[in-house]
Amino acid sequence: NAGVTQTPKFQVLKTGQSMTLQCAQDMNHNSMYWYRQDPGMGLRLIYYSASEGTTDKGEVPNGYNVSRLNKREFSLRLESAAPSQTSVYFCASSLTGNNEQFFGPGTRLTVL
Amino acid sequence: SQQGEEDPQALSIQEGENATMNCSYKTSINNLQWYRQNSGRGLVHLILIRSNEREKHSGRLRVTLDTSKKSSSLLITASRAADTASYFCATSLPPQEYIFGTGTRLKVLA
Repeated sequence: NAGVTQTPKFQVLKTGQSMTLQCAQDMNHNSMYWYRQDPGMGLRLIYYSASEGTTDKGEVPNGYNVSRLNKREFSLRLESAAPSQTSVYFCASSLTGNNEQFFGPGTRLTVL
Repeated sequence: SQQGEEDPQALSIQEGENATMNCSYKTSINNLQWYRQNSGRGLVHLILIRSNEREKHSGRLRVTLDTSKKSSSLLITASRAADTASYFCATSLPPQEYIFGTGTRLKVLA
């Protein structure tokens, strides 16, 4: 089992560029999450998907969109990147909403 | 806004000593979880305590939960250099949101 995988590991964008962060899990989990982690801020929830076909906003959704492509995959899209979106992005999954979460290794994104 | 606040922000101890970190939160929860993050890595789940539980143990870890004070503590006994990491509490809120605290950076000196 690979667990939760994320691609890419690193990315540098220019302001205004777009990109999609990919996340996949092979644990047959129902729930998936996207977080961003900034220094001194802990993790903040961007979007989550309680089950295939549903998505909901978290604490900091502005500037992002998500797609729950199927049960395994949950992507995060930045339509027009801004320097404020420079961060480390983590994808996570859990069996249901009240269980432990399993995290991917993260994507380090820099927006110039 | 941040739901969980860990205290202290940073902690430095000698190998073999116990490490205690605290978490406070603001609203009613389904459960509270503790995670560890090694530098540059993803988070790893340590332990989950449900809102109707008061104490839980897992190996060298002991977690307490006081819902009346909206607080939790994580005790790591007989710490090792490998325990050096950041520790986060996360509160599970209905329907499916998790709110993470700002973390405690633990350094265990050999």
